[in-house]
Amino acid sequence: KQEVTQIPAALSVPEGENLVLNCSFTDSAIYNLQWFRQDPGKGLTSLLLIQSSQREQTSGRLNASLDKSSGRSTLYIAASQPGDSATYLCAVEDSNYQLIWGAGTKLIIKP
Amino acid sequence: KAGVTQTPRYLIKTRGQQVTLSCSPISGHRSVSWYQQTPGQGLQFLFEYFSETQRNKGNFPGRFSGRQFSNSRSEMNVSTLELGDSALYLCASSLGLSSGLTEAFFGQGTRLTVV
Repeated sequence: KQEVTQIPAALSVPEGENLVLNCSFTDSAIYNLQWFRQDPGKGLTSLLLIQSSQREQTSGRLNASLDKSSGRSTLYIAASQPGDSATYLCAVEDSNYQLIWGAGTKLIIKP
Repeated sequence: KAGVTQTPRYLIKTRGQQVTLSCSPISGHRSVSWYQQTPGQGLQFLFEYFSETQRNKGNFPGRFSGRQFSNSRSEMNVSTLELGDSALYLCASSLGLSSGLTEAFFGQGTRLTVV
């Protein structure tokens, strides 16, 4: 059974710092891995999708990597800003087309 | 290109009533998934519909049901509401194909409060 874990559960850093969020999964048989952000009380916004054959994806200040063999993905945020404060979730799509979710990392960027 | 639209955005119901939530996916997307999100349980998968057929189902009681129409719009229904059904209900749409390119896009959610 696929399980997705995100560490840390919460993170607070000063503005301007670079930071890394971690996501690990137990079964490497995935189609893709996706990172989302969620603002309080709102829906989820897709940030990056990494196909199982890819190693990384970049969008602006965000870079996501995928190491399928070790069951790990990282989301790197460069030069963090207060507007980056949100909960970040990762999800893997398994062989049944189902998204399996981590519990999220709550990120606070202090001005 | 319009995003995923969920209606209504907010809903207040009393215990025992039933409720229907609606989700219009992105044009061309054939898969619609429903999730329940609560502070204590996080995101929990309810079910997924692809081309009008339920393809996946989560571990929820039979009071939770759904359907998908030929235009890919989906509805979910909760009967005999309980206080514990209060949650943010999220809908996601995707192409639903096994290519690894099936990026999921979410609506803003329906906030259901049961009193």
